[in-house]
Amino acid sequence: GAGVSQSPRYKVAKRGQDVALRCDPISGHVSLFWYQQALGQGPEFLTYFQNEAQLDKSGLPSDRFFAERPEGSVSTLKIQRTQQEDSAVYLCASTTIGGFGNGYTFGSGTRLTVV
Amino acid sequence: GQQLNQSPQSMFIQEGEDVSMNCTSSSIFNTWLWYKQEPGEGPVLLIALYKAGELTSNGRLTAQFGITRKDSFLNISASIPSDVGIYFCAGQLTGNTPLVFGKGTRLSVIA
Repeated sequence: GAGVSQSPRYKVAKRGQDVALRCDPISGHVSLFWYQQALGQGPEFLTYFQNEAQLDKSGLPSDRFFAERPEGSVSTLKIQRTQQEDSAVYLCASTTIGGFGNGYTFGSGTRLTVV
Repeated sequence: GQQLNQSPQSMFIQEGEDVSMNCTSSSIFNTWLWYKQEPGEGPVLLIALYKAGELTSNGRLTAQFGITRKDSFLNISASIPSDVGIYFCAGQLTGNTPLVFGKGTRLSVIA
């Protein structure tokens, strides 16, 4: 597609529920990133894929967070047993080359609200 | 996680005024970036800086990469209503390290 597509746009989850957030990067983009943006804050890095390989997951806040990109295109961020502090906008970005910030294209994000 | 120090947090200005915002870090970066985010959207890149001391313009926007590699500023000249949004600075150490963002400057323009 023309841009990075994320779904759903909005998700309300009850505390303790599992959620799955999807990212469709720009076709052919090798690198894919997930960022978490809490209300009133800047985005914070979660994890990075190059093709299907997860090269950096140092930003994942706990073992309840898991990301995958099995075929090197679509990626899913899964959060198990959601907590209120998980409420945030989850942004996905992709780029053609490894990691360079100038090449990032961000999606519109998924706003997760845990009640 | 680490976030850069960005100031001011918010600004209310009259249309036509110039705006200046800056970003500082306790550690060096080799790339500085400025993004704009509008409600319900992801950040969009405005300017990228790759060399200490570099001054780069993009239309009414001008940004500089500080000599110490620990700071950057963004100027917007002759502001217009569509400049409204949240502006974020971001630093990157190398091509394979994540972007580190500031907390943002919320700009409001009064017509």
